[in-house]
Amino acid sequence: NAGVTQTPKFQVLKTGQSMTLQCAQDMNHNSMYWYRQDPGMGLRLIYYSASEGTTDKGEVPNGYNVSRLNKREFSLRLESAAPSQTSVYFCASSLTGREAFFGQGTRLTVV
Amino acid sequence: LAKTTQPISMDSYEGQEVNITCSHNNIATNDYITWYQQFPSQGPRFIIQGYKTKVTNEVASLFIPADRKSSTLSLPRVSLSDTAVYYCLVGEVSWGKLQFGAGTQVVVTP
Repeated sequence: NAGVTQTPKFQVLKTGQSMTLQCAQDMNHNSMYWYRQDPGMGLRLIYYSASEGTTDKGEVPNGYNVSRLNKREFSLRLESAAPSQTSVYFCASSLTGREAFFGQGTRLTVV
Repeated sequence: LAKTTQPISMDSYEGQEVNITCSHNNIATNDYITWYQQFPSQGPRFIIQGYKTKVTNEVASLFIPADRKSSTLSLPRVSLSDTAVYYCLVGEVSWGKLQFGAGTQVVVTP
């Protein structure tokens, strides 16, 4: 049982480049989330999707876009990467907002 | 979402019981209290969830007083592997958002 799978695990971007972080879950969960975690800090919600076809902004949405492609997949796109977006990105999913399952994270460095 | 306040850090020795208290004065009627654990370089992991009184599972206990303005996560007989950051979240079960605070860094030493 894979759970929540994030790709890639590591990425280095140059300022201004774009990329998409992929997330897929195989637990038939309705809700999916994207977080970022900076060193020594807690997780901050970027975007979430309560169900297929819906997305909403979280605490720090600026500079990001998301797509809930289907029930399984929720992608996060950086259109023009900035050094301030250097962080660890976590994707998560949950059935109703109860127990959430997290991926292993994507470590992104923007130089 | 109700704001939560937790201690920044706690130290303990192996074999002791660790109690982490979370304050959530503005908790709403439909809100549940959920705790997560995070090890370095990993995503958070669900520990326990409760609405009122006491909830216990194989990992921890959660104590919630009648006024529900605070809650206490109790980790019995901690080991070195319990060194982690612990997060308290408060919100509706049917909510869309899961918002994490700063968490409590628990360090267990021999």
